[in-house]
Amino acid sequence: AQTVTQSQPEMSVQEAETVTLSCTYDTSENNYYLFWYKQPPSRQMILVIRQEAYKQQNATENRFSVNFQKAAKSFSLKISDSQLGDTAMYFCALRTSGTYKYIFGTGTRLKVLA
Amino acid sequence: KAGVTQTPRYLIKTRGQQVTLSCSPISGHRSVSWYQQTPGQGLQFLFEYFSETQRNKGNFPGRFSGRQFSNSRSEMNVSTLELGDSALYLCASSLLGDRGETQYFGPGTRLLVL
Repeated sequence: AQTVTQSQPEMSVQEAETVTLSCTYDTSENNYYLFWYKQPPSRQMILVIRQEAYKQQNATENRFSVNFQKAAKSFSLKISDSQLGDTAMYFCALRTSGTYKYIFGTGTRLKVLA
Repeated sequence: KAGVTQTPRYLIKTRGQQVTLSCSPISGHRSVSWYQQTPGQGLQFLFEYFSETQRNKGNFPGRFSGRQFSNSRSEMNVSTLELGDSALYLCASSLLGDRGETQYFGPGTRLLVL
């Protein structure tokens, strides 16, 4: 069975500081994609960053980067220079070949403090 | 391009009733997925449609059903509503539903079952 675990239900960070959200997953497949999605309060879910499992290089998107440890099945999200607009629910998701579905973690609620 | 739209945005129903939710994907997108989001369970995959065919289904009872039309619009139906069906129902679309594609989410339909 494929699973995604986010062990931090809530986190907070001071504006301009760095925060890391954790995600571990389990799959027996070798070809898969990992995603971080952000769901701001009362707003639509949007993609933050994605990582192809076959790529060793960690993905980065501006202030967002991941630490992908394939052997450990770990996929953490680092947010640098946190901004108030980063306040949101963050979901880690796994997608494998042939399943046509995402497996989501339960989410981490991040609050950026002024 | 217009984003994913979902109607209605809010619904209040009573136990035993049935409900139909609608999703219009981004123009050109042929894959539509449905998710149930609750505070305790996070996002749970319901089903995915591509070219009017259901390609995958999550672990939900048969009361949950869906369909997709030739214009890629999709509907989800829940019959014999139960209190536990109260949730935010999210629809997401992507071009082909391939594993590396970004899913674009709609704002959701919030269903309250009394």
